[in-house]
Amino acid sequence: GAGVSQSPSNKVTEKGKDVELRCDPISGHTALYWYRQRLGQGLEFLIYFQGNSAPDKSGLPSDRFSAERTGESVSTLTIQRTQQEDSAVYLCASSLQGLGETQYFGPGTRLLVL
Amino acid sequence: EDKVVQSPLSLVVHEGDTVTLNCSYEVTNFRSLLWYKQEKKAPTFLFMLTSSGIEKKSGRLSSILDKKELFSILNITATQTGDSAIYLCAVPDSGAGSYQLTFGKGTKLSVIP
Repeated sequence: GAGVSQSPSNKVTEKGKDVELRCDPISGHTALYWYRQRLGQGLEFLIYFQGNSAPDKSGLPSDRFSAERTGESVSTLTIQRTQQEDSAVYLCASSLQGLGETQYFGPGTRLLVL
Repeated sequence: EDKVVQSPLSLVVHEGDTVTLNCSYEVTNFRSLLWYKQEKKAPTFLFMLTSSGIEKKSGRLSSILDKKELFSILNITATQTGDSAIYLCAVPDSGAGSYQLTFGKGTKLSVIP
C-alpha cells in the first residue's frame, strides 16, 4: 500500500501478557516513529529509528517496552507484562529522512489491557 | 524546552460557520510547523508551513504562518459535520537530532448540523 500500515488494529489482552504491535512504514522512508496516545491525552513520543543508526529510546516509559526495526522496513513494538495503564492507541509514523519533515501516520493499534 | 500551545481547546459551531484555530510555538531553531487532523485514531497530515506570510490552501481549509509573532492559524470555511475532529499543531524538535515532533494539545472542533 501507499501509506503506513499497522497491525493489529485492535488488541485486547489480559494484564501480565506480552503483546507485539507491528508497523510497516511507507516504502523508502528511512525514519520511523512510535507514539502512544492515552484516552484524552496528547501524543506521547516513544521511540525513533533512523536508517541504520542506533534508535533513540528516550521516550520509552519503562523497560517493559522495546522496539525493533528490520533495516528500513517493518518495526515491532513489544510490551511485556502488560499493565492496565498501557491501554492506549499506539501510533506509528514514518518520514522520508527524519529531519523535521512531515510524518505520515498509520491507522494505529488500539490496545486494551484488562 | 520547545512548547506548542493551541487555542481554543474546544469549539462548537454550526454547519456553514467559519472557524479559526490558533497555534503558538516556542522553538529554538524553527524549521517548520505542521497541522494534522485527528478523527478516530491516527492524525492525517494537512499542511506543512515553513515560510511566513504564505497561505497554504486545500479546499475549505487554509493555513498561514507568522514567524515574527510565532504563531499559525488554521481556517476552515463553510464548516461541515465531517470537519468534526481534533486539530493538532506540531513543530519538529529543535535539538541536534531534530526528529521528534512536539504536539500541542489540540483543538476539538464539533460541527453541529
